[in-house]
Amino acid sequence: KQEVTQIPAALSVPEGENLVLNCSFTDSAIYNLQWFRQDPGKGLTSLLLIQSSQREQTSGRLNASLDKSSGRSTLYIAASQPGDSATYLCAVRPTGGFKTIFGAGTRLFVKA
Amino acid sequence: DAGVTQSPTHLIKTRGQQVTLRCSPKSGHDTVSWYQQALGQGPQFIFQYYEEEERQRGNFPDRFSGHQFPNYSSELNVNALLLGDSALYLCASSLPDRGVEQYFGPGTRLTVT
Repeated sequence: KQEVTQIPAALSVPEGENLVLNCSFTDSAIYNLQWFRQDPGKGLTSLLLIQSSQREQTSGRLNASLDKSSGRSTLYIAASQPGDSATYLCAVRPTGGFKTIFGAGTRLFVKA
Repeated sequence: DAGVTQSPTHLIKTRGQQVTLRCSPKSGHDTVSWYQQALGQGPQFIFQYYEEEERQRGNFPDRFSGHQFPNYSSELNVNALLLGDSALYLCASSLPDRGVEQYFGPGTRLTVT
């Protein structure tokens, strides 16, 4: 059974710091992994999608990596800003089906 | 280009009642998935609809049912509401392939009293 874990559960950093959010999954049989951002009480905004054949994706100050064999992904945020404060969720789509499995998220607070 | 829309935004119901939530997918998308997100948790997959059929279902009781219309919009129905059904209900749309990106709507906040 696929399980997704995100560490840490919460993180507080000063503005300008580079940071890494971690995501691990128990079964390497996945189609893709997607990182989302969620503001309090709002829907999810897609940040990056990494296909199973890819190792990383980049968008602006964000870089996500995928190591399928070890069941790990990291989201790197460069030069953090107060506007980056939100919950970051990772989600995997296992092979053999259509469901997506989410981690519980990392709640990020960037202090000005 | 309109993204995924959901209605209503908020809803308050009493235990035992029934509720219907609605979702319109992003333009060009024909696949709709529904998720339940309890406070402080990640979204949990309820089911996915494609070509007006339920394609896969998560671990939710039969009180949760859905429908997809010919224009690809979708409804989520929950019968015999329980206090534990209070959550943010999210709709996501995509193309039918497994490897494609999902786009989420703003959600419907359901409170059961």
